[in-house]
Amino acid sequence: QVQLVQSGAEVKKPGSSVKVSCKASGDTSRIYGISWVRQAPGQGLEWMGRIIPTVGVANYAQNFQGRLTITEDTSTNTVYMELRSLRSEDTAVYYCARVSRRDGSNYVHYYFMDVWGKGTTVTVSS
Amino acid sequence: DIQMTQAPSSLSASVGDRVTITCRASQSISNFLNWYQHRPGEAPKLLIDGASNLQSGVPSRFSGSGSGTDFTLTISSLQPEDFATYYCQKSDSTPLTFGGGTQVEFK
Repeated sequence: QVQLVQSGAEVKKPGSSVKVSCKASGDTSRIYGISWVRQAPGQGLEWMGRIIPTVGVANYAQNFQGRLTITEDTSTNTVYMELRSLRSEDTAVYYCARVSRRDGSNYVHYYFMDVWGKGTTVTVSS
Repeated sequence: DIQMTQAPSSLSASVGDRVTITCRASQSISNFLNWYQHRPGEAPKLLIDGASNLQSGVPSRFSGSGSGTDFTLTISSLQPEDFATYYCQKSDSTPLTFGGGTQVEFK
């Protein structure tokens, strides 16, 4: 079974950057991607982006284009999420999640996030 | 980008009630639709993938249906542990957008 362990809470100033890590342990053979999802206070879940391991290709939500970078260190099975130019609206709990795959009929693949980290609270305040 | 809209945004129900949550995509996503349960202070939990495939360990009172643009999550008999917020998410291609969520509250 895979576990995702995230780095600890952060307090940042507006305009600064934050880098949150997500380390996978256990059976990492069926990781088809690592996604990042956040939840601001009183708001819903927001998908931020994902990286496909070993290939290292990342996709980002339009809302974060230019401010977000997701990277991986394959030697330590760790994925990083860096968000720059922080503003108060970025105060949120940030989750990483494993993207898994189920093979349906007719060679259709279904992807979903089935293992989650516990979340990292990022507070942006002057 | 495809938008995901859930209804209602919140509902009040009692233990034993049948609860139905709808999710609508702005364009067809076939059956590439996942449902998650999120309790305060916990990580989200995957309930259903592929619109109707129940995850292992998820109680059978949860079910999902739909394809194209309209989807439904049904809880056949609400239990105390089901009071939470439920989200749909498209999974056909990025961006993997979530719906706005439906908060199920105790009546």
